[in-house]
Amino acid sequence: KAGVTQTPRYLIKTRGQQVTLSCSPISGHRSVSWYQQTPGQGLQFLFEYFSETQRNKGNFPGRFSGRQFSNSRSEMNVSTLELGDSALYLCASSLEHRGRGGELFFGEGSRLTVL
Amino acid sequence: QKEVEQNSGPLSVPEGAIASLNCTYSDRGSQSFFWYRQYSGKSPELIMSIYSNGDKEDGRFTAQLNKASQYVSLLIRDSQPSDSATYLCAVNMISFSGSARQLTFGSGTQLTVLP
Repeated sequence: KAGVTQTPRYLIKTRGQQVTLSCSPISGHRSVSWYQQTPGQGLQFLFEYFSETQRNKGNFPGRFSGRQFSNSRSEMNVSTLELGDSALYLCASSLEHRGRGGELFFGEGSRLTVL
Repeated sequence: QKEVEQNSGPLSVPEGAIASLNCTYSDRGSQSFFWYRQYSGKSPELIMSIYSNGDKEDGRFTAQLNKASQYVSLLIRDSQPSDSATYLCAVNMISFSGSARQLTFGSGTQLTVLP
């Protein structure tokens, strides 16, 4: 059974640009969550999607957005990139909506560097 | 913002010893608790989940939960050098928006098992 797949794995952008990251969850998983990981802040929750609906959102500015498609694949977008957006972006899928409990399976992440 | 707190370490134990990792959380209503292991340069992987007060054992790992004290711990018996990693405590907590629960991670404890 294939795991969570994230693309691209590495990318370099400059300030002011935008970026789109993609995540394909484990087959049958309908919940997709996104996290930002940095050495200083650790793992920070960005948002969760379940059945194409954003069910939860973390404390991030509106420059961070996402969506989920009917096949459960998800994308997140960051617009007007800032240096502080440099981080590892992790996607995780689960069988259940997080609000009802469940266990996350993480992808390998997309490492974004903003110059 | 609700919080999950862990001793950041680093924690060093000799091979064969018991490693004890601790976590406290602030949301008294939390019902789901998890331990994730993250090797350097890799994404987090789930190693234990616990939902009820008491102990839960899985091989060399034992998770302990005390909801009254808002305390979760992970014991690793017969520690091996391959257990050297960062261990993340995660708790299902009320989100920033207050509308749903989200999995909130502690900052992690770095464990080194010395041969």
